[in-house]
Amino acid sequence: EDKVVQSPLSLVVHEGDTVTLNCSYEVTNFRSLLWYKQEKKAPTFLFMLTSSGIEKKSGRLSSILDKKELFSILNITATQTGDSAIYLCAVVRGNQGGKLIFGQGTELSVKP
Amino acid sequence: DGGITQSPKYLFRKEGQNVTLSCEQNLNHDAMYWYRQDPGQGLRLIYYSQIVNDFQKGDIAEGYSVSREKKESFPLTVTSAQKNPTAFYLCASSRGTGELFFGEGSRLTVL
Repeated sequence: EDKVVQSPLSLVVHEGDTVTLNCSYEVTNFRSLLWYKQEKKAPTFLFMLTSSGIEKKSGRLSSILDKKELFSILNITATQTGDSAIYLCAVVRGNQGGKLIFGQGTELSVKP
Repeated sequence: DGGITQSPKYLFRKEGQNVTLSCEQNLNHDAMYWYRQDPGQGLRLIYYSQIVNDFQKGDIAEGYSVSREKKESFPLTVTSAQKNPTAFYLCASSRGTGELFFGEGSRLTVL
């Protein structure tokens, strides 16, 4: 059965800390992996990763994919209280019309 | 501005009643999806549609129904057969690249 597992499920840090969120997957016909940030309601897109070893960056956030070991990490440096959110990892399966499988999410809380 | 609109944002229902959640998009996307979100379980796919007048069951379709009569609209009906309908429901659309664009969600509470 296809599955996506995120860890940790929750995390509390202080402003300025660096955090690493993990996403591992076992999915047939992998096409790409996506990261989303969900603050209150609608998840917002962060990154799409399709190739191994190529880091994607956006400000203090970065992400990388390892297709051999079947995982991805999302790094956030110099965390701010505005980074508090649920971070969702999802995998796109190529043979099922682009359906996504989501992990459980990591709830990040950044304290002042 | 282009986007996805879900309504209502909050909905209360008595047991045994059917309710319909609305989802409209003006992004001209072919594919639309309905997800259910429960605490600690991430997002689970209910139904999806890749083209008008066609839709497929997702992982947890029992107790739900959908229609796709127009490209812009993909309403979800939560029927009385759904045993645990209290949840946060998210509608999304995609242009086929895999990236989903989400609506603001509808929170359904069964009293």
